[in-house]
Amino acid sequence: KQEVTQIPAALSVPEGENLVLNCSFTDSAIYNLQWFRQDPGKGLTSLLLIQSSQREQTSGRLNASLDKSSGRSTLYIAASQPGDSATYLCATRMYNQGGKLIFGQGTELSVKP
Amino acid sequence: EAGVAQSPRYKIIEKRQSVAFWCNPISGHATLYWYQQILGQGPKLLIQFQNNGVVDDSQLPKDRFSAERLKGVDSTLKIQPAKLEDSAVYLCASSSTEYEQYFGPGTRLTVT
Repeated sequence: KQEVTQIPAALSVPEGENLVLNCSFTDSAIYNLQWFRQDPGKGLTSLLLIQSSQREQTSGRLNASLDKSSGRSTLYIAASQPGDSATYLCATRMYNQGGKLIFGQGTELSVKP
Repeated sequence: EAGVAQSPRYKIIEKRQSVAFWCNPISGHATLYWYQQILGQGPKLLIQFQNNGVVDDSQLPKDRFSAERLKGVDSTLKIQPAKLEDSAVYLCASSSTEYEQYFGPGTRLTVT
């Protein structure tokens, strides 16, 4: 049974700092891995999706990497801004499970001006 | 393109009462998911529909939770009777492929 863990649970950084969020998973036979952002009182917004055959994906100031063999993914945020404050969730999809997502518990990020 | 719609956005009930949540997926999306997100945790899948058939309901507490998707479009999730531990955000998502899911804003349920 897949288990997804995110460390740390909360992170506070000053504006402008580069930061890394960590995600680990127990079953490396994933179909893909996805990073989401969740703002208070709102649904989930997809940030990056990495297929199992890929090593990384980039979008603007965000870069997500995937190391299946070690069961790890990282989300790198460059030059953080107060608007980046949110909860970041990673989730895995397994093969033949109809697209079901298995989520970590999230990292709550606060970027201070 | 309109997103996934959910209602109500907030609901407060007493334990042992019943409650229902509604979801309208993105037009044309065959797959619909209901997730439960307890405070401080990631979302957990409760039930997945493909058109109007159930694909996965292995984590749905069937003694108190029920869900239906009439005509393969809108869906309703019901809890009867509610318990304190059901306090959570209930998220609905829809998709047309296995690569992406689009989430609604969620319904925040508080059971007192």
